[in-house]
Amino acid sequence: DADVTQTPRNRITKTGKRIMLECSQTKGHDRMYWYRQDPGLGLRLIYYSFDVKDINKGEISDGYSVSRQAQAKFSLSLESAIPNQTALYFCATSDPDRGDYNEQFFGPGTRLTVL
Amino acid sequence: RKEVEQDPGPFNVPEGATVAFNCTYSNSASQSFFWYRQDCRKEPKLLMSVYSSGNEDGRFTAQLNRASQYISLLIRDSKLSDSATYLCVVNGRSSNTGKLIFGQGTTLQVKP
Repeated sequence: DADVTQTPRNRITKTGKRIMLECSQTKGHDRMYWYRQDPGLGLRLIYYSFDVKDINKGEISDGYSVSRQAQAKFSLSLESAIPNQTALYFCATSDPDRGDYNEQFFGPGTRLTVL
Repeated sequence: RKEVEQDPGPFNVPEGATVAFNCTYSNSASQSFFWYRQDCRKEPKLLMSVYSSGNEDGRFTAQLNRASQYISLLIRDSKLSDSATYLCVVNGRSSNTGKLIFGQGTTLQVKP
């Protein structure tokens, strides 16, 4: 079974709709992250969370919100989707207690298309 | 200027070739450096960390030049299975946050 799972894997929606992307992990990691990936731009950090009570904005948080419901769950919401939010979204986790704490473990990704 | 820059390629090489990828980073305070591999439509996975002394893992060698703010990845004896996008990754401005900055990736296509 995958350690980091994302649902849905693919989603097509219309402009103005509210969308929630969900991430769950069984790795027991405290730190979780949401990224988006666009062709030619690499991965960009949207939000990150170091524990259930700690939420931080990344470099491109406008138009997004997150919820850390439990250590194992971190959801990303698009309150009113727009076409330039069409991208591949990845959730990731990391464990600061590991020697190489910067290693991040990624989910399989959610491909979102906003029409 | 992007914080982490890579030549996007694609690099098209025959099996058995040696290929090198380069990456530059702008934040001289960066402490941790990595190469991630991403297969088409898949998630990135850690390939190797990059240490100041350089490090080798089988056919893969990573080098770091702090003075020039430059990271490299050398792949020897390329295999078809090495075809992927290689992401240069640097930790964020505060090394304790776990925040990573990703380059846009370099695509490698190894041909028979």
